[in-house]
Amino acid sequence: SQQGEEDPQALSIQEGENATMNCSYKTSINNLQWYRQNSGRGLVHLILIRSNEREKHSGRLRVTLDTSKKSSSLLITASRAADTASYFCATDLHRSFGAGTTVTVRA
Amino acid sequence: GAGVSQSPRYKVAKRGQDVALRCDPISGHVSLFWYQQALGQGPEFLTYFQNEAQLDKSGLPSDRFFAERPEGSVSTLKIQRTQQEDSAVYLCASSFLESEQYFGPGTRLTVT
Repeated sequence: SQQGEEDPQALSIQEGENATMNCSYKTSINNLQWYRQNSGRGLVHLILIRSNEREKHSGRLRVTLDTSKKSSSLLITASRAADTASYFCATDLHRSFGAGTTVTVRA
Repeated sequence: GAGVSQSPRYKVAKRGQDVALRCDPISGHVSLFWYQQALGQGPEFLTYFQNEAQLDKSGLPSDRFFAERPEGSVSTLKIQRTQQEDSAVYLCASSFLESEQYFGPGTRLTVT
């Protein structure tokens, strides 16, 4: 079964708004990673959060991790058209990705 | 090289043909992963190497799929007797042990 499951499946927002997506996983992890995939391209690593971290920032990205709930969230602030992509989470031990959250940022 | 490279980028095979897909990981990366990604879906794990050792091949869908990494760097994913359901993008990723993965651009395989 999939280890990382993203929610929602799709998200449409206006440029400048924030976008939040969630990821749930099933077993214990050492780290959790978020990736972005633009249409027709390979995945690009965005951010890695370790199991002993609760929150991490990188530019306009904020990731939280709640190991007690086995969940993580990715927040993109002040979204831009270039943020239109699919976003995936993956955990280290099981190397599995969910179906992703497709984010569309409208100009 | 600057990143993970894969070749060919596109491959069209007639049903029943064998294909070989190549992945050149980032130099020094110990771990190498192969994934299969169908249209509109997330990557599905196929197999994992640590150096030349294939530590996990649980995701290979059938015995027609075979992967190798004989010298611990370049890897080849071979699909024998291709079927239409094998049509997908095959992604390769490398990493230093269990850190973030760096993905190649993928090989789009179309089986006609």
